[in-house]
Amino acid sequence: DQQVKQNSPSLSVQEGRISILNCDYTNSMFDYFLWYKKYPAEGPTFLISISSIKDKNEDGRFTVFLNKSAKHLSLHIVPSQPGDSAVYFCAASAREDSGSRLTFGEGTQLTVNP
Amino acid sequence: EAGVAQSPRYKIIEKRQSVAFWCNPISGHATLYWYQQILGQGPKLLIQFQNNGVVDDSQLPKDRFSAERLKGVDSTLKIQPAKLEDSAVYLCASSLRQARDIQYFGAGTRLSVL
Repeated sequence: DQQVKQNSPSLSVQEGRISILNCDYTNSMFDYFLWYKKYPAEGPTFLISISSIKDKNEDGRFTVFLNKSAKHLSLHIVPSQPGDSAVYFCAASAREDSGSRLTFGEGTQLTVNP
Repeated sequence: EAGVAQSPRYKIIEKRQSVAFWCNPISGHATLYWYQQILGQGPKLLIQFQNNGVVDDSQLPKDRFSAERLKGVDSTLKIQPAKLEDSAVYLCASSLRQARDIQYFGAGTRLSVL
């Protein structure tokens, strides 16, 4: 039962353009969402998060949008830079759980071409 | 600030053998997590400790996997006996407390079971 799904295994964009990574979820109890970035041979690193009481959160070049009715979130990176090339995971948690169990999607490999 | 340390980085064993992984979390972090990441999938939580007590082990295959966190600091994850399907990257993460704190990941241990 894949509760968090990233349907695009890969995405390629040109430097300076916008990257949009998408994520869908099925569990209506999820109320907190995060994006992690992972470089090869390293562990995932936290990027940005959003609570279900908001529909947008922005941090520099990174913005996460949440559409609760569609059970969909997206990460926008603008402008994209070659150093952004990595695997991006979305993750979600539900307050009913231990409070911090994260359910991850499969990841999207982003490649930003110079 | 030192990050989450894991060892070994790589391990190759034959099926039915046993293996152990070690994790040293960020100093002062009360919560420690072990995740399993199979190739092409996102990390899946195996077990979560709060200090030296287990908070969530609902997804841990307890017939072959065990974990402990003595003195609320370092942790060891063991697999005995290993199966082919245990081939994965085992990630350790830690967070300051529990609820909704950012999880910081180690680089992981890549296990190959032949």
